Amino acid sequence: DTEVTQTPKHLVMGMTNKKSLKCEQHMGHRAMYWYKQKAKKPPELMFVYSYEKLSINESVPSRFSPECPNSSLLNLHLHALQPEDSALYLCASSQETSNYGYTFGSGTRLTVV
Amino acid sequence: AQSVAQPEDQVNVAEGNPLTVKCTYSVSGNPYLFWYVQYPNRGLQFLLKYITGDNLVKGSYGFEAEFNKSQTSFHLKKPSALVSDSALYFCAVRGYNNDMRFGAGTRLTVKP
Repeated sequence: DTEVTQTPKHLVMGMTNKKSLKCEQHMGHRAMYWYKQKAKKPPELMFVYSYEKLSINESVPSRFSPECPNSSLLNLHLHALQPEDSALYLCASSQETSNYGYTFGSGTRLTVV
Repeated sequence: AQSVAQPEDQVNVAEGNPLTVKCTYSVSGNPYLFWYVQYPNRGLQFLLKYITGDNLVKGSYGFEAEFNKSQTSFHLKKPSALVSDSALYFCAVRGYNNDMRFGAGTRLTVKP
């Protein structure tokens, strides 16, 4: 298995809703990532998990809450989002060392109404 | 801080012609450089990487990249462009904290 699987593919949520994005990989990668991508812009790093521990939080608002329950799963819990949070949310995984690239999932297209 | 820059928002080439997508980097220490491609509404696909060794790196789909230390560049190239190569291309640098940072992206359009 050489894929990163993200669910759901599309999500529409109201500003008072609570939802979660899910990411799964079975490549034995011990580093996992969340990125946010607005249209026609580069992906922006949000969170980095290394060996199931949060190692980087790029000053992301607390309405985004990441969770890494085990080495194969990464969740992003969403609460009280704003319309400007609408974007493509990408998950990625990689080997731990810097000379490896990332494997990206296809993303979750999030719309906040 | 590690960063990359892509000076061109858009590159247009005719099918069959060679293509170049430019990238320059700013890193402390040895650079770990990558190229990714993104098709509409999709995640990023890995094309190639430079870690060390030969300055000419070969990757997927006939792409290659030339690492030039004196010019701090890592340009993506292909000898003969296909219409299906039309996509958004990102140069990226991976830092020592496991963080990968992307350039602004270059939209490549290959016309028949």
